[in-house]
Amino acid sequence: DIPMTQSPSSLAASIGDRVTINCRAGQDIMNYLNWYQQKPGKAPKLLIYAASRLQSGVPSRFSGSGSGTDFTLTISSLQAEDFATYYCQQSYSTLTWTFGQGTKVEIK
Amino acid sequence: QVTLRESSPALVKPTQTLTLTCSFSGFSLSTSAMCVSWIRQPPGKALEWLALIDWDEDTYYSTSLQTRLTISKDTSENQVVLTMTNMDPVDTGTYYCARCYYGDYGLSFDYWGQGTLVAVSS
Repeated sequence: DIPMTQSPSSLAASIGDRVTINCRAGQDIMNYLNWYQQKPGKAPKLLIYAASRLQSGVPSRFSGSGSGTDFTLTISSLQAEDFATYYCQQSYSTLTWTFGQGTKVEIK
Repeated sequence: QVTLRESSPALVKPTQTLTLTCSFSGFSLSTSAMCVSWIRQPPGKALEWLALIDWDEDTYYSTSLQTRLTISKDTSENQVVLTMTNMDPVDTGTYYCARCYYGDYGLSFDYWGQGTLVAVSS
């Protein structure tokens, strides 16, 4: 299995802030990396696939970057509806798929 | 419109077998590159991928849980079933089914059910 490590585990930010969340893979996964958003009591929602491609309907303030082992999710200007927990997930393996431990974005 | 809905007993006893059913619509699991997966989440914890079945009926399991899991599909009924044997209180959590797709850029879980909460207790 490919371990995925996110940092930080939580952060506090204000409306309008630029927010960056990091994800590191345990081996080179090229650009096979997805990002999900989960709000309390709800199912996760796919935000970004292939490290930087925005899923249909996702606001353009969300962006992803990185390749190899290090990846970043950026929210350019945090909105009230963006307070949630974010997960990365590797899709490099064709046998098992793993998620990071999550990053909770809270209101400062 | 793609929808998925999980169903299961809300409570199971330790050592019992849990059967989870995912009923879906809006896509066919016979279509190339389509798959359905189960993912769980203990209360307050991270997502954990469990199992996957694809359009070709190939199955894949979590390394740590593979001896306890069996995934199957009923294409005509648009359902996917996951059984987990020897349930333990640590298996308590919300179980999600999700549609997945083998795209040009790897596999992603693009539609999710609302989840079903399962408690394991005597």
